[in-house]
Amino acid sequence: DGGITQSPKYLFRKEGQNVTLSCEQNLNHDAMYWYRQDPGQGLRLIYYSQIVNDFQKGDIAEGYSVSREKKESFPLTVTSAQKNPTAFYLCASSTGQDYNTEAFFGQGTRLTVV
Amino acid sequence: AQTVTQSQPEMSVQEAETVTLSCTYDTSENNYYLFWYKQPPSRQMILVIRQEAYKQQNATENRFSVNFQKAAKSFSLKISDSQLGDTAMYFCAFMKDSGNTPLVFGKGTRLSVIA
Repeated sequence: DGGITQSPKYLFRKEGQNVTLSCEQNLNHDAMYWYRQDPGQGLRLIYYSQIVNDFQKGDIAEGYSVSREKKESFPLTVTSAQKNPTAFYLCASSTGQDYNTEAFFGQGTRLTVV
Repeated sequence: AQTVTQSQPEMSVQEAETVTLSCTYDTSENNYYLFWYKQPPSRQMILVIRQEAYKQQNATENRFSVNFQKAAKSFSLKISDSQLGDTAMYFCAFMKDSGNTPLVFGKGTRLSVIA
């Protein structure tokens, strides 16, 4: 089955550590996105990539980094510079090649600072 | 920049009744897509319905329909015959015409269906 896989489902980070969230898709989509979800805030865009080896900052990119070395993969690193990383993180992908355009989402990663 | 506003943080409805969730947006684009996504307690985002801005006809998907008013930049979701499984967060979202651009989300409406 085609879809988006995020791992791990739950992640715990100590103060000062970097952690990487995984996102893999087998939908052959060109574009991939990372969103952060906090209570009452909706989904806010962290980074997105429209093509391999290229990515753009979203609205809340500070303290995060990404790479897009393969079409299928778009990992997100939460660095120690992110002062409030506890949140739910969603990865999504989309294609502009079909008039039935929509974004497909992974199941999310819950990150907690301990 | 585009913005999406959902003015109802929480709503409730009796089972089998009809409820309407509001959404307004702001954009200077002429062609775009609008979406309603559902996020149940599992937190998986599920597409409920999609509307292309160039289509005048309102989209429908079984019990779900929209009232798309392009000039007013309004995109409300109507849920008919509400079911307990409709209990979820509902997000309104905007996407530019290219299809490879990020969705812009509203802050969501928490809907509770009461037996």
